[in-house]
Amino acid sequence: AQKITQTQPGMFVQEKEAVTLDCTYDTSDPSYGLFWYKQPSSGEMIFLIYQGSYDQQNATEGRYSLNFQKARKSANLVISASQLGDSAMYFCAMRGAGSGGSYIPTFGRGTSLIVHP
Amino acid sequence: AAGVIQSPRHLIKEKRETATLKCYPIPRHDTVYWYQQGPGQDPQFLISFYEKMQSDKGSIPDRFSAQQFSDYHSELNMSSLELGDSALYFCASSLGSSGTQETQYFGPGTRLLVL
Repeated sequence: AQKITQTQPGMFVQEKEAVTLDCTYDTSDPSYGLFWYKQPSSGEMIFLIYQGSYDQQNATEGRYSLNFQKARKSANLVISASQLGDSAMYFCAMRGAGSGGSYIPTFGRGTSLIVHP
Repeated sequence: AAGVIQSPRHLIKEKRETATLKCYPIPRHDTVYWYQQGPGQDPQFLISFYEKMQSDKGSIPDRFSAQQFSDYHSELNMSSLELGDSALYFCASSLGSSGTQETQYFGPGTRLLVL
């Protein structure tokens, strides 16, 4: 079975600083994808970044980067130069390849990030 | 770019009533997922469809049913509503043939309140 663990229920960061949101995962599937989503207070779920299990390089999307450490089964999200608009709930998710893994995406419990001036 | 459309955005129902939530996926996306998110909770997978066939089933109550139509839109039908069904219901769509790279794009959600 797949499992995602986000151990930080809440994080605070000062504007313009970098912040790392932790995510560890567990799966027996050799092929899987890892995703991060942002959910602001308005409720919508916004896709941020994707990392494939066979990708050699860490994924980056603008100010977002994914620190992928396969041996440690961690996929931490790094947000550089935090902005007030980054205040939101952040979810880590994974999806296996089926046939032993699971096609059903699994979400973590989320981390609430607050950026203060 | 076109996004996932969900309707209605807000819905108030009374106990034992029925509700129908609609989802229109991103054009050319062939896979639809339904999630339920309670207050302060992570999204819980309910059910998914690929090419109009049910592909996976999660923690969907027997009182709920869903289908995907020929135009790929999907409807979640909820009957005998209970207070505990009050939640944010998300629909997400994806291109199912992408394998593990399949990225789900979420709609804005439908807030259901059962009184």
